[in-house]
Amino acid sequence: EDQVTQSPEALRLQEGESSSLNCSYTVSGLRGLFWYRQDPGKGPEFLFTLYSAGEEKEKERLKATLTKKESFLHITAPKPEDSATYLCAVQAFGNTPLVFGKGTRLSVIA
Amino acid sequence: SAVISQKPSRDICQRGTSLTIQCQVDSQVTMMFWYRQQPGQSLTLIATANQGSEATYESGFVIDKFPISRPNLTFSTLTVSNMSPEDSSIYLCSVSGIQETQYFGPGTRLLVL
Repeated sequence: EDQVTQSPEALRLQEGESSSLNCSYTVSGLRGLFWYRQDPGKGPEFLFTLYSAGEEKEKERLKATLTKKESFLHITAPKPEDSATYLCAVQAFGNTPLVFGKGTRLSVIA
Repeated sequence: SAVISQKPSRDICQRGTSLTIQCQVDSQVTMMFWYRQQPGQSLTLIATANQGSEATYESGFVIDKFPISRPNLTFSTLTVSNMSPEDSSIYLCSVSGIQETQYFGPGTRLLVL
C-alpha cells in the first residue's frame, strides 16, 4: 500500500530562520511526487512535481528535493506570508490516485 | 493552469438532507476528481468523475451516498446524500490531463448540524 508520512506536524519559525519539511514515502513505482501549499479555507495550490531521485526544483524561497525514500521542502529565509500547510503527495504508475500525507502546518513569526 | 470554481463555497445543512456541489472549469479537461478533507486530516479521494459514464469510487465511498455527474468536459457535480454530522468536511474538486499534475478548486466547506 502506498503511504506518505510528513514531519513535523507543525513548525514554528522566526522570520528569516531557514528550515526543512520532510516527506517520507513508500510507493510501488513512483510516477511523481507533488508538493502543494494550502492556506486556511482554500484549496491546495500546486508548487512542484518531482519525478526521479536527485531532482531538485526551486520557486522563490522554496526548494524541493527528492531521494528514493523521501523528499524535502527547504524554506530559505521564510517570511510571514509563507505560513500555510504544506502537503506532499505521491502517485504510482498506472493512472492511480494521488496519496496525500497529513501535511506540515508552518507558522512564520515576524 | 485551468481556473476552477466551486459552488457553494460553504453551507450549513440539517442532518438527513442532501447537498449538491458544482465544479466548473474554464477549459476542457480529461480528468476530474472529488476529494474530501475532514477537519485536521489530509485529502481523501472520493471518486473519479467520468464523462458519459458512471464515476469510479474509491474504497469506502458508494454511489448512493455520493452520486456524481459529469455531463461534459468542463462540469461535474457531487451530491452528499442523507447527511449526518460526520459528513462535515471540505469537499474539493480537482482536474488534470492524463497522468498530469492535478489542480484543485477552492473547496466547499460543509457543516452538518
